[in-house]
Amino acid sequence: EPEVTQTPSHQVTQMGQEVILRCVPISNHLYFYWYRQILGQKVEFLVSFYNNEISEKSEIFDDQFSVERPDGSNFTLKIRSTKLEDSAMYFCASSVRLGGETQYFGPGTRLLVL
Amino acid sequence: KNQVEQSPQSLIILEGKNCTLQCNYTVSPFSNLRWYKQDTGRGPVSLTIMTFSENTKSNGRYTATLDADTKQSSLHITASQLSDSASYICVVSAGGTASKLTFGTGTRLQVTL
Repeated sequence: EPEVTQTPSHQVTQMGQEVILRCVPISNHLYFYWYRQILGQKVEFLVSFYNNEISEKSEIFDDQFSVERPDGSNFTLKIRSTKLEDSAMYFCASSVRLGGETQYFGPGTRLLVL
Repeated sequence: KNQVEQSPQSLIILEGKNCTLQCNYTVSPFSNLRWYKQDTGRGPVSLTIMTFSENTKSNGRYTATLDADTKQSSLHITASQLSDSASYICVVSAGGTASKLTFGTGTRLQVTL
């Protein structure tokens, strides 16, 4: 069964460094998402992406974040200058359509900022 | 402010027993309600999606109910198995887009022998 994959599974970085989290959505899906989950807290929406542009973004998704679909398969989240509070699990998800459509989540990247 | 509250926060049951998890929401306008299963350290996996007009939906041993009038949902797990041990997250959508999803904090279920 097709699945969303994410790399790396874990990343440790120093505060102020740039990180790029990578995702390969399911191949026939058109909508892509990034969520984060701080340890012990709720999953939070960051951004959605369709047709090579951001569809929506949350208040969390400020100027230090960016997303890109550099080729036909990868979908990346870049954090330009990491802060301690960026430490979280980052989930990529994809869906065929918007609306009441199932979103398929990847296994996540655990980011630790020291 | 849109909110999703789940109870209990955690639950321990014996293998083979049934259990019911609760979700109350104050999300407006309501579009749909989803239940996800999240294993520790993994991404959420969709169990059910229900719209306003649906009040019951099953997926194997999982049965979700929705009462849109009282803004409550439940997830019933029948004949629990050890592999059911996970967090179960209620997610309510206020519209057709991802930014309108409000996640609950989840119920952590542990199934023991």
